[in-house]
Amino acid sequence: AQKITQTQPGMFVQEKEAVTLDCTYDTSDPSYGLFWYKQPSSGEMIFLIYQGSYDQQNATEGRYSLNFQKARKSANLVISASQLGDSAMYFCAMREAYTDKLIFGTGTRLQVFP
Amino acid sequence: EAQVTQNPRYLITVTGKKLTVTCSQNMNHEYMSWYRQDPGLGLRQIYYSMNVEVTDKGDVPEGYKVSRKEKRNFPLILESPSPNQTSLYFCASSFSGEFNSPLHFGNGTRLTVT
Repeated sequence: AQKITQTQPGMFVQEKEAVTLDCTYDTSDPSYGLFWYKQPSSGEMIFLIYQGSYDQQNATEGRYSLNFQKARKSANLVISASQLGDSAMYFCAMREAYTDKLIFGTGTRLQVFP
Repeated sequence: EAQVTQNPRYLITVTGKKLTVTCSQNMNHEYMSWYRQDPGLGLRQIYYSMNVEVTDKGDVPEGYKVSRKEKRNFPLILESPSPNQTSLYFCASSFSGEFNSPLHFGNGTRLTVT
């Protein structure tokens, strides 16, 4: 059964520091995509970064990078140089080749303090 | 600007009064879907559509209807809303149903059924 696990309900980080949000997944499908979304307190879901199961290199998008360890089935989000505006819920999600839906983890609430 | 537009943003209604939440995307995406987000349960898929006139049930379809008469629009219909449908609803679209296609979400509709 497909599953996404985010074990950190909440994280704190000081402004300008880096932070890693953990995500592990479980699938038997060799073709899948992993995604991270940000949900600020205003409620919208913002797509941050994507990693494909066949990608050899870790994905990066500005201050966001995805630490993809396929053998360990982990896809951790790294945010460098945290900003106050990074305070939000962060969701890891997976999409398999032969299903149509995005499966979400339970989320990690990140709080950035000055 | 490429976006998914949901309306209304907030809705309070009474049990049994039919309502429709509209969703429109301007990215010519083939795939559209509806999710609901509830505390402790995360995001769950209600319905999805692979293309015009092609829709299918997600994980929690009971009490909802959808239609896809035009590529850009995917309304969610609650024929007889009940209090257990109080939730935050998201419409999302992606270029395709492929695993490497990220979903782009609307801003959400916060529905309260009394």
